[in-house]
Amino acid sequence: DTGVSQNPRHKITKRGQNVTFRCDPISEHNRLYWYRQTLGQGPEFLTYFQNEAQLEKSRLLSDRFSAERPKGSFSTLEIQRTEQGDSAMYLCASSLGQGANNEQFFGPGTRLTVL
Amino acid sequence: GQNIDQPTEMTATEGAIVQINCTYQTSGFNGLFWYQQHAGEAPTFLSYNVLDGLEEKGRFSSFLSRSKGYSYLLLKELQMKDSASYLCAVRKNTGGFKTIFGAGTRLFVKA
Repeated sequence: DTGVSQNPRHKITKRGQNVTFRCDPISEHNRLYWYRQTLGQGPEFLTYFQNEAQLEKSRLLSDRFSAERPKGSFSTLEIQRTEQGDSAMYLCASSLGQGANNEQFFGPGTRLTVL
Repeated sequence: GQNIDQPTEMTATEGAIVQINCTYQTSGFNGLFWYQQHAGEAPTFLSYNVLDGLEEKGRFSSFLSRSKGYSYLLLKELQMKDSASYLCAVRKNTGGFKTIFGAGTRLFVKA
């Protein structure tokens, strides 16, 4: 499968715990995006990487959230001291970064439930 | 700032035509996407418009008017499998082409 993959697909955690999600983009894609989506809403931009550089981070993202893409390939999103409001689907997308439309290909998402 | 508006829900009949509208207000407009999202699944790309006019792709067409901040997605010959959410998304020309999504329009196709 050469699409975007995310792990785990589901995560249930207790409030206050830390969680880490992984995203493996399509191999030749140099741009990687993280989004959060809640029921009935569209994906909400969290952060964006071009290769290993984190170029933009949403102002909505608190200091509890951090993302890395150390070698410009896979990326991790960590949430520290989780809160119930963090419960959502976390989507990763990648794009080629060249060409006319820069279509973003989405992974299946990680569904986080904070109890 | 930016704002994207689209209807929350629409219902249409199998075999019919439906038009889903999207209006947007944003600085640094670079293009407009339409994505389809089935319940519990990730969004999948449908279309991209950067210039004014109509782009046709099979049963789906997308229109853009940059001066009016308006787009629509036209779905022809509706099938039951077209029941999904349709997301309008605006790409900005700042910050690495950040993409802002609308809340989506849930389309129900009935027999």
